[in-house]
Amino acid sequence: EAEVAQSPRYKITEKSQAVAFWCDPISGHATLYWYRQILGQGPELLVQFQDESVVDDSQLPKDRFSAERLKGVDSTLKIQPAELGDSAMYLCASSRLAGVSHEQFFGPGTRLTVL
Amino acid sequence: SQQGEEDPQALSIQEGENATMNCSYKTSINNLQWYRQNSGRGLVHLILIRSNEREKHSGRLRVTLDTSKKSSSLLITASRAADTASYFCATDEGATNKLIFGTGTLLAVQP
Repeated sequence: EAEVAQSPRYKITEKSQAVAFWCDPISGHATLYWYRQILGQGPELLVQFQDESVVDDSQLPKDRFSAERLKGVDSTLKIQPAELGDSAMYLCASSRLAGVSHEQFFGPGTRLTVL
Repeated sequence: SQQGEEDPQALSIQEGENATMNCSYKTSINNLQWYRQNSGRGLVHLILIRSNEREKHSGRLRVTLDTSKKSSSLLITASRAADTASYFCATDEGATNKLIFGTGTLLAVQP
């Protein structure tokens, strides 16, 4: 069964350092999402891609976060510099189409700890 | 920002009992989805109910939607220890099908 792949699974870094997370969606899924989930809360959308274009990045802290999906397939989310408050689970998800209601398929997540 | 709130925040039941979780939301929606998250893992889609539907079943799951009250409920019948997880409702709104998740219900099923 096809799955969304994410790496690394765990990342520990010191504040002010740069970190990057990678996501490979299910083959053929045009829409890719990055979520941040703080412990004890539901996921919050950071950025949504349709193919290589950003559809929604209204909740992405653009002074320190960036995301790209250059060829419309895999994607990278970067934080520079990391802050203590960035400690969270970062989840990637994909779905077949935007504009049509579809379930989203989630990867296992990257747990980030900022010291 | 979180769209919905779920009730209860935590629920503990015995195997074989039914579990009911409720979700309230604030704005008009295209559909509402329920997801399960096992500890420290990614989310798994359970069921999707469209705004023009009132009830939907999938195996041991039953979901209801009341758009006039902006609320939904998830019923898990004959619960098993493997159902222990956090359950989230998510509302799909707007043209981009952005999902906004609730705060979640932590379900513990005791064997």
